[in-house]
Amino acid sequence: NAGVTQTPKFRVLKTGQSMTLLCAQDMNHEYMYWYRQDPGMGLRLIHYSVGEGTTAKGEVPDGYNVSRLKKQNFLLGLESAAPSQTSVYFCASSFAPPRAYEQYFGPGTRLTVT
Amino acid sequence: AQKVTQAQTEISVVEKEDVTLDCVYETRDTTYYLFWYKQPPSGELVFLIRRNSFDEQNEISGRYSWNFQKSTSSFNFTITASQVVDSAVYFCALDNFNKFYFGSGTKLNVKP
Repeated sequence: NAGVTQTPKFRVLKTGQSMTLLCAQDMNHEYMYWYRQDPGMGLRLIHYSVGEGTTAKGEVPDGYNVSRLKKQNFLLGLESAAPSQTSVYFCASSFAPPRAYEQYFGPGTRLTVT
Repeated sequence: AQKVTQAQTEISVVEKEDVTLDCVYETRDTTYYLFWYKQPPSGELVFLIRRNSFDEQNEISGRYSWNFQKSTSSFNFTITASQVVDSAVYFCALDNFNKFYFGSGTKLNVKP
């Protein structure tokens, strides 16, 4: 049981390049989330999904796209990376409420855009 | 608008002292969830507790306790007899309708 895994762990991009971050969970969770964590600002929700084939915007969705083609995977895409997207990205998953609703987090991906 | 405020940016205590981390939230909704997470220096996020808006009972789990007061929109976290292993950043979070809002975190330093 691996929990929530994220690929890659580190990445350096040049401005304008694109990339996809992969999140996978093996807990059969319905909900999945992408956050970014910047110094002194806590975590901010980028996008989330309440089930396979569905996605929704969070607090800071601009510049990102997501897809959830399979229940266990949630992809985060950056089409044209900008230095402002330098951050640590966390994926999380949870059951739907009112079941045990705590989020389980992946280890994070540290992204630097130069 | 939803908002979570953790006014204490950083707290330093000596081992065995008690420490309380404050969390104040804002929401217009009557149904919501509150959470506390711990982020140790290794970086992972660890779930500590969930509380829904209809359950104002305080909770104790070992050295940890939580005080939820709707009247003051606060969900404070107390560590009794702190230990060096409690050193971490602690986040309070608010959720309603699947949108999570995290506070900026309180860094707790427990010195031996």
